[in-house]
Amino acid sequence: GAVVSQHPSWVICKSGTSVKIECRSLDFQATTMFWYRQFPKQSLMLMATSNEGSKATYEQGVEKDKFLINHASLTLSTLTVTSAHPEDSSFYICSPGTSGRAILADTQYFGPGTRLTVL
Amino acid sequence: SQQGEEDPQALSIQEGENATMNCSYKTSINNLQWYRQNSGRGLVHLILIRSNEREKHSGRLRVTLDTSKKSSSLLITASRAADTASYFCATETSGSRLTFGEGTQLTVNP
Repeated sequence: GAVVSQHPSWVICKSGTSVKIECRSLDFQATTMFWYRQFPKQSLMLMATSNEGSKATYEQGVEKDKFLINHASLTLSTLTVTSAHPEDSSFYICSPGTSGRAILADTQYFGPGTRLTVL
Repeated sequence: SQQGEEDPQALSIQEGENATMNCSYKTSINNLQWYRQNSGRGLVHLILIRSNEREKHSGRLRVTLDTSKKSSSLLITASRAADTASYFCATETSGSRLTFGEGTQLTVNP
């Protein structure tokens, strides 16, 4: 069964609206959650790392005020794309860190992704 | 910027042939992983090779790692049409943070 879930799996929104993406770690506690973005026909790029109970760290060039990350519990991290624009259209994928798992710690799990289309 | 570079960017072969994809990276790593992604879908973890390993097998997959050259290869033997997908290498440097390569689009023609 799925180890990591994301919701929604796809979303279409108008320019200027905000979109929240949820990522849940189903089988283990995740103190860290990695958020990746993938543009069409491109590779995955790490956007930010959320940490349970503390502020997220953002990669260079990623606006922290635009991509709000909350990691309120050990099983849930959310990414909110604020005032979305067409250039934010992308595939967003989360991946929990492995530190909370005692077994299969080498296997990195990824959520199924959320496809965001901003009109 | 991406640490990993993969070649070829695109590979088209006939069913039954072997497919080889290469990945190069720039910094020291804990391990290197290969993933598969079908069009518009999530990632599937294929195989992980640690920095102290040189070769690993899993079914029809064979992965090599040369840390002196900072490169890895993924070999898929006896390819099938269902192997058509994008394949990415990813290096882990610390704390399960991954840096992905550019990817190779593999097309296996029936």
